[in-house]
Amino acid sequence: DTAVSQTPKYLVTQMGNDKSIKCEQNLGHDTMYWYKQDSKKFLKIMFSYNNKELIINETVPNRFSPKSPDKAHLNLHINSLELGDSAVYFCASSQQTSATSTDTQYFGPGTRLTVL
Amino acid sequence: GDSVTQMEGPVTLSEEAFLTINCTYTATGYPSLFWYVQYPGEGLQLLLKATKADDKGSNKGFEATYRKETTSFHLEKGSVQVSDSAVYFCALSGGDYKLSFGAGTTVTVRA
Repeated sequence: DTAVSQTPKYLVTQMGNDKSIKCEQNLGHDTMYWYKQDSKKFLKIMFSYNNKELIINETVPNRFSPKSPDKAHLNLHINSLELGDSAVYFCASSQQTSATSTDTQYFGPGTRLTVL
Repeated sequence: GDSVTQMEGPVTLSEEAFLTINCTYTATGYPSLFWYVQYPGEGLQLLLKATKADDKGSNKGFEATYRKETTSFHLEKGSVQVSDSAVYFCALSGGDYKLSFGAGTTVTVRA
């Protein structure tokens, strides 16, 4: 039923650990995204994949590595977690198939990451 | 680059009051414009959108009109309810796979 799902919903971990967040969409979309929402609710794109190819890679530390095993999945792996990584991470998907189209993005429920 | 400027919050209203949240944008070309809503503890939901000038998006009593001449996409609702308490985000898609978001406006409606 759920269009865009993420696991886990909450993630509490110690500094220096490595963790992954998983995202799946059942909308048949070609493009998936990761966004970060900070404590002031500001949303910023991190990565985007189109048909398993990386098309957006914003200024994000290379400790963050997205992986797309297929069109329906986009996972986010974070190495050596730092306090500043604490945020809510949202996955999204859209049917956008080219850089000139502007299709709606549909968001997952978010993963709240807390680094202690 | 593309950017969205949204009115600062928080906004506190009484039930049945009129709500307006201002949003202006800067973009090259002809972007699509969106309003997303985030209810407490939840993800973002699309509220409404408009894809070309003079289009009006509407949903759940909310409306916004794409005004190219003023580069604006203000959100309005004539009579708010407690259940409208949420954070509202204006966003722009310029066709480069990205959504550029405004800073969000927290709206609290009191009974």
